Amino acid sequence: AQKITQTQPGMFVQEKEAVTLDCTYDTSDPSYGLFWYKQPSSGEMIFLIYQGSYDQQNATEGRYSLNFQKARKSANLVISASQLGDSAMYFCAMRDHGGATNKLIFGTGTLLAVQP
Amino acid sequence: ETGVTQSPTHLIKTRGQQVTLRCSSQSGHNTVSWYQQALGQGPQFIFQYYREEENGRGNFPPRFSGLQFPNYSSELNVNALELDDSALYLCASSVQGLPNQPQHFGDGTRLSIL
Repeated sequence: AQKITQTQPGMFVQEKEAVTLDCTYDTSDPSYGLFWYKQPSSGEMIFLIYQGSYDQQNATEGRYSLNFQKARKSANLVISASQLGDSAMYFCAMRDHGGATNKLIFGTGTLLAVQP
Repeated sequence: ETGVTQSPTHLIKTRGQQVTLRCSSQSGHNTVSWYQQALGQGPQFIFQYYREEENGRGNFPPRFSGLQFPNYSSELNVNALELDDSALYLCASSVQGLPNQPQHFGDGTRLSIL
């Protein structure tokens, strides 16, 4: 069965520093996608970055980058130059590309607090 | 481009009642997925609708049901509400057949069961 594990319930980072949020996954499917979402206290889920299982390069999107290590089944999110507005819950999610549903399977999330 | 909208934003019900939550998909999207997010947890997949039919279901009982309309909007219905149904219900829209594209979420409906 597919599973996402986020082992850091909470993280602190100083403003302007970089932070890495961990995510490991488990799947037997060769084709899959990994997503990171940000959820502020207001509740909406904001898409940040995507990595496909066959992508050769690590994904980057502005201050967000994904450290994808396929053999280790990890897809860590790196946020550079943290800002106060980055304080939120962060969820790692996986989608099976081969299934008809393409549902997302989420981890339990990491609460990031950016300190001034 | 119109994003995903959900209504209502908050709802309070009592045990045994029924509730209907609504979702309008992002323009150009033909698939709607519903998720339940309990406090302190990640979202859990309830079901997905495509072409007005259920296109996959998570581990939720039959009292959770849904509809999709010709304009791709969707409803989530929950019958015989239980205390454990208290959660944030998120709707997400996407385009079928493009798994590398993200699902776009609405702001959610916070349902409280008394």
